[in-house]
Amino acid sequence: SQQGEEDPQALSIQEGENATMNCSYKTSINNLQWYRQNSGRGLVHLILIRSNEREKHSGRLRVTLDTSKKSSSLLITASRAADTASYFCATVGSSNTGKLIFGQGTTLQVKP
Amino acid sequence: EPEVTQTPSHQVTQMGQEVILRCVPISNHLYFYWYRQILGQKVEFLVSFYNNEISEKSEIFDDQFSVERPDGSNFTLKIRSTKLEDSAMYFCASDPRGQETQYFGPGTRLLVL
Repeated sequence: SQQGEEDPQALSIQEGENATMNCSYKTSINNLQWYRQNSGRGLVHLILIRSNEREKHSGRLRVTLDTSKKSSSLLITASRAADTASYFCATVGSSNTGKLIFGQGTTLQVKP
Repeated sequence: EPEVTQTPSHQVTQMGQEVILRCVPISNHLYFYWYRQILGQKVEFLVSFYNNEISEKSEIFDDQFSVERPDGSNFTLKIRSTKLEDSAMYFCASDPRGQETQYFGPGTRLLVL
């Protein structure tokens, strides 16, 4: 399996706090993407980081990638109740088919 | 903003019946995918499609599954003889150039009884 683990599996924080989710993978990648899923709904793309990048920002999101450790983290700053959702990392390997391999996800609850 | 659409949103079928799940990818995208998510589990890759042929498929995508792009807009997933374990949410996704951001549809929730 290309994908490893995400941790934590569940995270509960207060509004305004920062949330950090981690993802590990096993094989070499072309890029790593983070997606968000509200309960029972579709997947929304958040951010893509390429294998030659170390950090990327988008609004309140900050993603890091450490290819030597085969790991990534997603930081959501100043969280809001509306950030409550499941967050998944997904990797694209070196094959050119572009398939995404998803992790198990982190369920984030932000309490108002 | 263009988006991927899927129909139906929900489908209930009897075991052994054929189902066709439909997707309309974003119009200028070249790569198309199907994924599934069994309730409470992670999203699993089924198949990728490019240039009118399957480019990769997973072990899940056995002979009961097929995909087709019958015209310039639709992308379908057919399950020939459904099993109970096919019950899941099925997502279609498209990607402009491959190995880029994939845009997901809202999903079809399939329940096999």
